[in-house]
Amino acid sequence: QKEVEQDPGPLSVPEGAIVSLNCTYSNSAFQYFMWYRQYSRKGPELLMYTYSSGNKEDGRFTAQVDKSSKYISLFIRDSQPSDSATYLCAIPANQAGTALIFGKGTTLSVSS
Amino acid sequence: EPEVTQTPSHQVTQMGQEVILRCVPISNHLYFYWYRQILGQKVEFLVSFYNNEISEKSEIFDDQFSVERPDGSNFTLKIRSTKLEDSAMYFCASSFRTGGTEQFFGPGTRLTVL
Repeated sequence: QKEVEQDPGPLSVPEGAIVSLNCTYSNSAFQYFMWYRQYSRKGPELLMYTYSSGNKEDGRFTAQVDKSSKYISLFIRDSQPSDSATYLCAIPANQAGTALIFGKGTTLSVSS
Repeated sequence: EPEVTQTPSHQVTQMGQEVILRCVPISNHLYFYWYRQILGQKVEFLVSFYNNEISEKSEIFDDQFSVERPDGSNFTLKIRSTKLEDSAMYFCASSFRTGGTEQFFGPGTRLTVL
């Protein structure tokens, strides 16, 4: 059973658009949710970290968790060409948090 | 800003050879991890390490793999006898705490096994 599902895209938007990226997960015990950004041939870069349900905002980025439907989202406002990357959701594999399970990533392209 | 560093950036080796991938985690971090990403696939967990011992390992991390923290700054991943399917990007990560908190990743080492 796949634990984290993410639409790989690609997703292409014009500069300034609002982008919505989504993941679903299977294990309701997950408590922490992370979004990473990965540029081509680079390491994942931590963008957002949220705990439990609700929203968390950081500049143009908003992470949203809906535990009832096991759905996590990342919204990007006023998207920029520099936002073009692959966005990965990640969830701890266990309560100890000693391992992360990643989604396959959604590739975003923002055109100027 | 402190960051995780990895060397080399690209390693080419022959099948059956041993390779050692090196990482310098962020200096005050206590937990260390290795992940790998085969081209076009998910980032996959290999192993976590704390207090000089393995905390958790995945099914991928078999007897061909080992990790070591030989001194106060380096963290290494050794593959004893490389196989073609070991070709991947290998990422080191570190965190100050565990419990699902932020893991910071290095830029990766691209391993090519011929």
